Amino acid sequence: AQSVSQHNHHVILSEAASLELGCNYSYGGTVNLFWYVQYPGQHLQLLLKYFSGDPLVKGIKGFEAEFIKSKFSFNLRKPSVQWSDTAEYFCAVTPLDGGYNKLIFGAGTRLAVHP
Amino acid sequence: SAVISQKPSRDICQRGTSLTIQCQVDSQVTMMFWYRQQPGQSLTLIATANQGSEATYESGFVIDKFPISRPNLTFSTLTVSNLSPEDSSIYLCSVDTATAFFGQGTRLTVV
Repeated sequence: AQSVSQHNHHVILSEAASLELGCNYSYGGTVNLFWYVQYPGQHLQLLLKYFSGDPLVKGIKGFEAEFIKSKFSFNLRKPSVQWSDTAEYFCAVTPLDGGYNKLIFGAGTRLAVHP
Repeated sequence: SAVISQKPSRDICQRGTSLTIQCQVDSQVTMMFWYRQQPGQSLTLIATANQGSEATYESGFVIDKFPISRPNLTFSTLTVSNLSPEDSSIYLCSVDTATAFFGQGTRLTVV
């Protein structure tokens, strides 16, 4: 079955540190890829998405992600985090072949940024 | 991008009762999706709802517990039946995996 793995369940950083959150998926076909953010007590927001083209995708709030097809990875990065980035981050994948057409989510990574 | 409205935004319900959640989209969409986010967990797809056909349920979810209606291309409802405390979750509606936007969710607490 298709699955999405987020390796870091909890990440603690100081402000201005660089961030990289890992995401790997298990599906050999074509995929759409997404990163979502959920701030404490708030609803899910789309950070960025990849469908095709340039594998380096830029999203909102200074986030970017790189799709590496050979590694089945879509890691999220931010060069310098802020306290306001404290949130939970979810990676999600849509397998496009085989008629699945649904989002499969990773378990999420809780990021805490200390001032 | 589609604007998705969910009602209610939150509710507290008694055990054994049911709650119906509405999802309204501001444009016509082929597929609508219902997800559940249990406390501290990720999102799990409950079912996919296409207009004019029965919803397709994921493993572990059944129609008797989560009946879904999809009367037209802009609206769907999810009912969570015979509530128990384990049903306390956030329930989210989404449309079209190409854009993958979500409604604000319905926070259900069962007491």
